[in-house]
Amino acid sequence: EPEVTQTPSHQVTQMGQEVILRCVPISNHLYFYWYRQILGQKVEFLVSFYNNEISEKSEIFDDQFSVERPDGSNFTLKIRSTKLEDSAMYFCASSSGWGNSPLHFGNGTRLTVT
Amino acid sequence: DAKTTQPNSMESNEEEPVHLPCNHSTISGTDYIHWYRQLPSQGPEYVIHGLTSNVNNRMASLAIAEDRKSSTLILHRATLRDAAVYYCILRDLNDMRFGAGTRLTVKP
Repeated sequence: EPEVTQTPSHQVTQMGQEVILRCVPISNHLYFYWYRQILGQKVEFLVSFYNNEISEKSEIFDDQFSVERPDGSNFTLKIRSTKLEDSAMYFCASSSGWGNSPLHFGNGTRLTVT
Repeated sequence: DAKTTQPNSMESNEEEPVHLPCNHSTISGTDYIHWYRQLPSQGPEYVIHGLTSNVNNRMASLAIAEDRKSSTLILHRATLRDAAVYYCILRDLNDMRFGAGTRLTVKP
């Protein structure tokens, strides 16, 4: 069964550094998402992306965050200047459509900011 | 945002059926009812979804009330591997937001 893959599985960075989290969505999917989950808390929506532009973003997704689909297969989340509170699991997801289509999630990237 | 209400936790015995309830009294006509689960140390996993009619798949069944203001996820025979947090989510257009979910404990 096709999968969403995320790399790296764990990234450690220093406060103030830029990080890029990478995702390869399922190949025929057109809708892409990023979520994060701080340890012990709920899964939080960050952003959805379709047709090379952001469709929806949450209040968490401020100017420090950006997303990009640099080629036909990758979907990236960039955090420009990381803060301690950005430490979390980041999940990428993709779907083939909107409401009637399930999201398929990757196994996540654990980001640790020191 | 349309919201859902779920019990914080439930317990089940292995090999018994489990009924996980969800209330969504403010559901709109275009909202699909989705269920996901998150096993320990894993990403969320799709379970099932529906609009108005009851749905079955290999993982579970979804029973939707006639007025659509509530739904129930049914696991027909719980196994230890079904221990997870189960999320009931209303999905419309371009986002899908998780609540706190129900933590299901399965006892051997």
